[in-house]
Amino acid sequence: GESVGLHLPTLSVQEGDNSIINCAYSNSASDYFIWYKQESGKGPQFIIDIRSNMDKRQGQRVTVLLNKTVKHLSLQIAATQPGDSAVYFCAENTGGFKTIFGAGTRLFVKA
Amino acid sequence: GAVVSQHPSRVICKSGTSVKIECRSLDFQATTMFWYRQFPKKSLMLMATSNEGSKATYEQGVEKDKFLINHASLTLSTLTVTSAHPEDSSFYICSAYGDLEATDTQYFGPGTRLTVL
Repeated sequence: GESVGLHLPTLSVQEGDNSIINCAYSNSASDYFIWYKQESGKGPQFIIDIRSNMDKRQGQRVTVLLNKTVKHLSLQIAATQPGDSAVYFCAENTGGFKTIFGAGTRLFVKA
Repeated sequence: GAVVSQHPSRVICKSGTSVKIECRSLDFQATTMFWYRQFPKKSLMLMATSNEGSKATYEQGVEKDKFLINHASLTLSTLTVTSAHPEDSSFYICSAYGDLEATDTQYFGPGTRLTVL
């Protein structure tokens, strides 16, 4: 069935380095994608989103890239900080604004 | 920014009892709310879509008679886990969608940790 998934379950980076979290999606009809950050015991926190008519969008220290040809989404975090340690989910919006979450990647930032 | 609250944040109950979880949008009217459950180290699984003034739409495999959803107003949706059993223990998260700032962003609550003994 249609799904959103992630290539890597965990990612460990050195503080100050850049982080790249990848995601593959299979629903070619999806037109809106979101990255969320979830800290332990808390709800997901919106990071950045992108629509299918764009291939790149930048925020504060974060960039989302969308490659519709290969159905790939990535989140880049610049100058990763200890506070960035969390689980990151990519998600896609299907019709009716339902949000379907991917499996998640845990990011560890080493000081 | 938009805030969504959940109450309670944690609840422990005995098997067979019912538990009600509230989801409130604090500074905006939410025409649509969503309920998710999340098991440890797993992703969020959509349970149902709650629309104000109409019946909830449940995802495949979610028992509507077990997970009762009521969206009584534009700022409140409730999820009642009826006759709870240990396998219902999970992290329940709601989200609210409202036409804020012309975006499609959902705003998530902080979650409710349910433990059924």
